[in-house]
This record gives sequence, structure tokens and C-alpha cells, in this order.
Amino acid sequence: DIQMTQSPSSLSASVGDRVTLTCRASQSISTSLNWYQQKPGRAPNLLIYGASSLQSGVPSRFSGSGSGTDFILTISGLQPEDFATYYCQHSSITPPTFGQGTNVEVK
Amino acid sequence: QLQLQESGPGLVKPSETLSLTCTVSGGSISSSHHYWGWIRQPPGKGLEWIGSISYAGSTYHNPSLKSRVTISADTSKNQFSLRLSSVTAADTAVYYCTEERAGTIVDYWGQGRLVTVSS
Repeated sequence: DIQMTQSPSSLSASVGDRVTLTCRASQSISTSLNWYQQKPGRAPNLLIYGASSLQSGVPSRFSGSGSGTDFILTISGLQPEDFATYYCQHSSITPPTFGQGTNVEVK
Repeated sequence: QLQLQESGPGLVKPSETLSLTCTVSGGSISSSHHYWGWIRQPPGKGLEWIGSISYAGSTYHNPSLKSRVTISADTSKNQFSLRLSSVTAADTAVYYCTEERAGTIVDYWGQGRLVTVSS
């Protein structure tokens, strides 16, 4: 299986901050990388697919980049509703696997 | 708008079989290029892909669970199902049914069903 490693595991930020989350794959996955947001007690929600494509309905302050093994999710101007856990997931081969998550919490 | 809803027992005894059904509304599970899957999340932990079934009936499984997992579909009821045999406490999790684009990009999620394995 391809291992996905996210960093940091958690971070503290303030409303308005620019936040950068990192995801690394154990082998090259081209751009087969997706990002999800999960709030407590809720199902995850797709934000970014194909490393950089914004899912319909997702605010433009979310953006993704990267290819190969290293990927970034950026939130430009953190909003109160963005405090949540973020997961990366590869969709390169079966099984797709997820990172362990990054918890973005209030500073 | 596609909607998915899990149903099934919330408590299963060790060594028995976990069975969940997902009812889909707002679309047909027979529609081309749609895949219907299951993902689980143990309490306080991360996400694990279990497997999926395609619109054509092909199934895909996580090798770590493959021998215990059965995913099937009932197009007449617009439902698909998960069976996980020989469960242990490690199978305690919230189970989500999902709709995937080809390539396991999860577009839609059910609300989740907590299944506890305990005697």
C-alpha cells in the first residue's frame, strides 16, 4: 500500500491566517491526490481533487498544489468555519489510503 | 442532489457478521461511471477505505480486509450493502457509505453509522 504522511498533526491558527498543510506519499502518485475536510461528528467533505482542482461549491480560499510525492493544501484567509481536521487521500491505485489527518484548531 | 443513508445494527457480537445497507436517493446506482463504496473510521482515528462496487457490478476490496468483505448491490431497491465477517473489537467504527468517481474520489458520503463490536 502507498503510505500517506501529513504534517503537522495539528496546528493552531487565527482567523485570517494563511495556513499550509503538507501531505507526502511513500511513492509517486502523479497528481492523484485529494483533500477532505472533516468536522466533529460529521462525514468528510471533498475540497480538492486531482491535487489542484477545486470541488464545486468549495470556497476559493482553498487551493492545492503538488505532484509526485509532495502536496500542499493552502487556506488563504482562515475563516471560523475552517477549524476542522483535514485529510489527504491518494487515488492512484487500490487501495486508496488516507493520511492521518491535520487538526486545525483555534489559536 | 445525491443522498446516501446507512442502516443496520449498531451492535454486533464478536465473531459474527456485520451487515449494513446504504439507500441511495437522487440518482440511480446503475448510472454509468458511478462507484459505490464503504469507508470506516474507528472512534478518534483516521479513515480506512473498505471497498466499492461499480455501476456494472465489479467489486474492489482493500486487501487487508478482502477475505472478510462482501459488497453487493440491489438495483431494484437502489441499495448496496456491506457484509464484514468474523468481526472483532478492532472493527468498531463509524461506517460511511460513499459515492466515488472513477479513481476513488469520494464525492458523496452518508452520515455514517456507528457499529460497535461487543458481547
